Amino acid sequence: GAGVSQSPSNKVTEKGKDVELRCDPISGHTALYWYRQSLGQGLEFLIYFQGNSAPDKSGLPSDRFSAERTGGSVSTLTIQRTQQEDSAVYLCASSLVSSADSYEQYFGPGTRLTVT
Amino acid sequence: GENVEQHPSTLSVQEGDSAVIKCTYSDSASNYFPWYKQELGKGPQLIIDIRSNVGEKKDQRIAVTLNKTAKHFSLHITETQPEDSAVYFCAAPKSGTASKLTFGTGTRLQVTL
Repeated sequence: GAGVSQSPSNKVTEKGKDVELRCDPISGHTALYWYRQSLGQGLEFLIYFQGNSAPDKSGLPSDRFSAERTGGSVSTLTIQRTQQEDSAVYLCASSLVSSADSYEQYFGPGTRLTVT
Repeated sequence: GENVEQHPSTLSVQEGDSAVIKCTYSDSASNYFPWYKQELGKGPQLIIDIRSNVGEKKDQRIAVTLNKTAKHFSLHITETQPEDSAVYFCAAPKSGTASKLTFGTGTRLQVTL
């Protein structure tokens, strides 16, 4: 079946511009995550959506970052007034969190953001 | 919150040899420890996980061991093959819930012929 998809795969933007990154999770998955992966680094948690609960925004690095998830499915990560340090690969993952304790996160291929 | 440390950052082994990657965690309440493999240009993929009620789990050439007392867990890959070359991440629950994870910084494994 279809996995997690992200668009665009690559984005080059000028410093100060806003960007929107899109994530289409696996159908039926209730949990959705955004991570940031800088060159040669690990996965930095950004934000977590679970069902209709308020999102966990504890990982967002600044108020320039925001995300929404519409209709419990597609999610958009928005970065306003981009800075060069925002350059990274942004990964989205989804998970079927259920009473069966299914914790596996399924990752998309990521969006490589370059801020010039 | 959980703190996960992973070693080594890079590992080079010859084909057929074994590879071991180690992680430590800080939250004694953590009960779920997955390992993810990330190939070039792709997102990470779960390869094996272990829960705190067992000390070892195997899946063909891959095994994970868990020492709850010492708060560390390890990934073991035997009979390595070139296709094992990738970046491997360990993880542990973030703030007590396995639905959110804290990841290690990754180990780049290179299997040479």
